[in-house]
Amino acid sequence: GNSVTQMEGPVTLSEEAFLTINCTYTATGYPSLFWYVQYPGEGLQLLLKATKADDKGSNKGFEATYRKETTSFHLEKGSVQVSDSAVYFCALSFSGGYNKLIFGAGTRLAVHP
Amino acid sequence: KAGVTQTPRYLIKTRGQQVTLSCSPISGHRSVSWYQQTPGQGLQFLFEYFSETQRNKGNFPGRFSGRQFSNSRSEMNVSTLELGDSALYLCASSSGTSGRGLSLGSYNEQFFGPGTRLTVL
Repeated sequence: GNSVTQMEGPVTLSEEAFLTINCTYTATGYPSLFWYVQYPGEGLQLLLKATKADDKGSNKGFEATYRKETTSFHLEKGSVQVSDSAVYFCALSFSGGYNKLIFGAGTRLAVHP
Repeated sequence: KAGVTQTPRYLIKTRGQQVTLSCSPISGHRSVSWYQQTPGQGLQFLFEYFSETQRNKGNFPGRFSGRQFSNSRSEMNVSTLELGDSALYLCASSSGTSGRGLSLGSYNEQFFGPGTRLTVL
């Protein structure tokens, strides 16, 4: 079946450190890939997306590249801030109009000053 | 443009009761999806409604049901509540064209509401 695997958290970093959160997927077909972020007490916000191989999604200093050969979509940021502290979810869905998202377990990021 | 709203934000029920949660999508959006978020199972897809019709469903028992009204507002209902139903229930809205309306690689961005926190005692 279709699934997403993320690295377990929590990830604890100092401000301005480099961030990588690993995400790999298993899919029968050709999915679109996403990173969502959830701040405390809030719903999910789309952080970035990629819809085909080698696409790079980017937003707010975060980047992720769709790697079909390794079935991966790792999230990176060069210099994290305290305000980046949140839970990050990797997800996939299939195009065609249907909106079912399949999520990874989520990775909690804590950034300390 | 107002975002996705969910009511109530918090709810406490006892086992065996039923509950109805409401979701108002962004104006103009026709698709509403529901997700359950728990510490043990993570985020799981419940169902999606588009133009008052359920067009996709996750692996949940029949106690979980939903509907969508002509103004695109959606409700989900859980009957005979169990302790394990305690969760954050999120809804997401999108413009959601029909299955034949989107080309490969396109995507209707989903916008999530803040969720309803259900506690079953």
